[in-house]
Amino acid sequence: AQRVTQPEKLLSVFKGAPVELKCNYSYSGSPELFWYVQYSRQRLQLLLRHISRESIKGFTADLNKGETSFHLKKPFAQEEDSAMYYCALGKSNQGGKLIFGQGTELSVKP
Amino acid sequence: DAGVTQSPTHLIKTRGQQVTLRCSPKSGHDTVSWYQQALGQGPQFIFQYYEEEERQRGNFPDRFSGHQFPNYSSELNVNALLLGDSALYLCASSLGGRISGANVLTFGAGSRLTVL
Repeated sequence: AQRVTQPEKLLSVFKGAPVELKCNYSYSGSPELFWYVQYSRQRLQLLLRHISRESIKGFTADLNKGETSFHLKKPFAQEEDSAMYYCALGKSNQGGKLIFGQGTELSVKP
Repeated sequence: DAGVTQSPTHLIKTRGQQVTLRCSPKSGHDTVSWYQQALGQGPQFIFQYYEEEERQRGNFPDRFSGHQFPNYSSELNVNALLLGDSALYLCASSLGGRISGANVLTFGAGSRLTVL
């Protein structure tokens, strides 16, 4: 069965420190991987998707099919990065049906 | 553009009752997906509506049903409510049904259901 695992429920770092939010998935086909983010009192929104291979707000994520991982990274965390981050798995022929991980709360301390 | 709008924002029901939640998609979107988010968990896919038909369904019982109207808005109905149905119900809109691009979802703020 398809599954997304985010092993850390809470990740706390100091401003300026590097950040890595871990995401592992299980799926035998060709997955589409996403990171969605929810800032305080805001809606869940797309942060980035693996096929775009772009950097959003300084965050990047590389799909590693060998390790079945899609970790989210940022070299220097900012206080405004504090939020709930969800990794999600989708299939190209099942658009709209995403499998979400449990989420990681990132707290960036001043 | 108000984005995805959901109503009501909060509601309280008792076991056995029925509830209807409503969603209007983002302007230009034609597909609506519903998710259930229990406390401390990630969203879980319930079903998707496109062209007024249910196109995909997650692992939810038949007590969960829905509808999509010609203007693309959608309703989620839950019958015979159980305590375990207490959750945040999220509506997400996208374009194109099951195509790959429909994985880029625009979420509403959610309807928080409490079952007593």
